[in-house]
Amino acid sequence: RKEVEQDPGPFNVPEGATVAFNCTYSNSASQSFFWYRQDCRKEPKLLMSVYSSGNEDGRFTAQLNRASQYISLLIRDSKLSDSATYLCVVIYSSYKLIFGSGTRLLVRP
Amino acid sequence: DVKVTQSSRYLVKRTGEKVFLECVQDMDHENMFWYRQDPGLGLRLIYFSYDVKMKEKGDIPEGYSVSREKKERFSLILESASTNQTSMYLCASSSPDYTGTQYFGPGTRLLVL
Repeated sequence: RKEVEQDPGPFNVPEGATVAFNCTYSNSASQSFFWYRQDCRKEPKLLMSVYSSGNEDGRFTAQLNRASQYISLLIRDSKLSDSATYLCVVIYSSYKLIFGSGTRLLVRP
Repeated sequence: DVKVTQSSRYLVKRTGEKVFLECVQDMDHENMFWYRQDPGLGLRLIYFSYDVKMKEKGDIPEGYSVSREKKERFSLILESASTNQTSMYLCASSSPDYTGTQYFGPGTRLLVL
């Protein structure tokens, strides 16, 4: 079993739709959680951190469920520019980041 | 604005060649990382460094070595390239207080023939 698992997608949604991705992790000792975004043929970039109390940044909401060991990303009012791969990241120690293999989102006109 | 640069965007090498990938960051970050990214496998950590001349193995260090002689520069070396090292190589840096906030270079797409 992978340490961090994501549905690879693609999730194909129309503009304006709400879409949600989940990411499960296997190590209950995980300390911190993040979502990164990676555009096609580009490097990953930090999208947002995930806090126990939830975190909202504009149209994006990230949630953590420690009991069930998953994090989620909700995107409201999808834009064409949201099309990308979303990477879930879990930190176990000061240096060890574990990246999920990503969920691909396609937003169509 | 943090900038991480990598020496090449694309490289084509032959099996058995020694390959050097260089990474430079301009934010005075202590931590630097080398990953490879393959379809369906995500990013996997090869090596990281938390200080000059310090290095730690990541999850897949076999066939690779690293060098960090200056704080801003972290090099990845493929001692004898093999076809299974064909991949996208990504360098990243972070401050020690914000390890989760990593800044990535544009990547080097390496093809080993």
